[in-house]
Amino acid sequence: GAGVSQSPRYKVAKRGQDVALRCDPISGHVSLFWYQQALGQGPEFLTYFQNEAQLDKSGLPSDRFFAERPEGSVSTLKIQRTQQEDSAVYLCASSKSTGQDTQYFGPGTRLTVL
Amino acid sequence: QQQVKQSPQSLIVQKGGISIINCAYENTAFDYFPWYQQFPGKGPALLIAIRPDVSEKKEGRFTISFNKSAKQFSLHIMDSQPGDSATYFCAASYISGRRALTFGSGTRLQVQP
Repeated sequence: GAGVSQSPRYKVAKRGQDVALRCDPISGHVSLFWYQQALGQGPEFLTYFQNEAQLDKSGLPSDRFFAERPEGSVSTLKIQRTQQEDSAVYLCASSKSTGQDTQYFGPGTRLTVL
Repeated sequence: QQQVKQSPQSLIVQKGGISIINCAYENTAFDYFPWYQQFPGKGPALLIAIRPDVSEKKEGRFTISFNKSAKQFSLHIMDSQPGDSATYFCAASYISGRRALTFGSGTRLQVQP
């Protein structure tokens, strides 16, 4: 029973580079969430998938952010032309059902943009 | 607009004491209020959650108190232990509808031995 895993755990990018962050949810979990956590702050919602469908992307801060979950399992968050303000921990969470259910978080990917 | 306000920002408690963290929310449509615990380098983990049809929920040493009219809820940690030292986040969401959690800004708890 592995939990949610994320890779890489740490990513350093130069300003303007594109990055891709991976999330492996708990097997069989229908729902998947991405959150952004700035240093010393609470997580902020980015986007939500139910299986392969992206049902809510209202939290994505700009069109440089893109997420996908093509087969309803692994998800990738892509950030194009990274900016210094993108530096944060990116958390992925999954939950078993489509209703309000416990969200299980991964350890996050710490992105630093120089 | 900060929809969930959390206080205090940091808290130091002696071992065996009671830790109290408070949250206030603005959106009266919220009807699901979880608390998460986060250790350094780890993702948040659900501690306990409450719905507004009850005023209190207790699980072991952890209790949520909920005041619907005041739009406030709080976490009480009884008999605080050094292993409880972590950052605690309150959150709010909806039982049905939008699934996203809206988090408070966090409280860093330090329990001194």
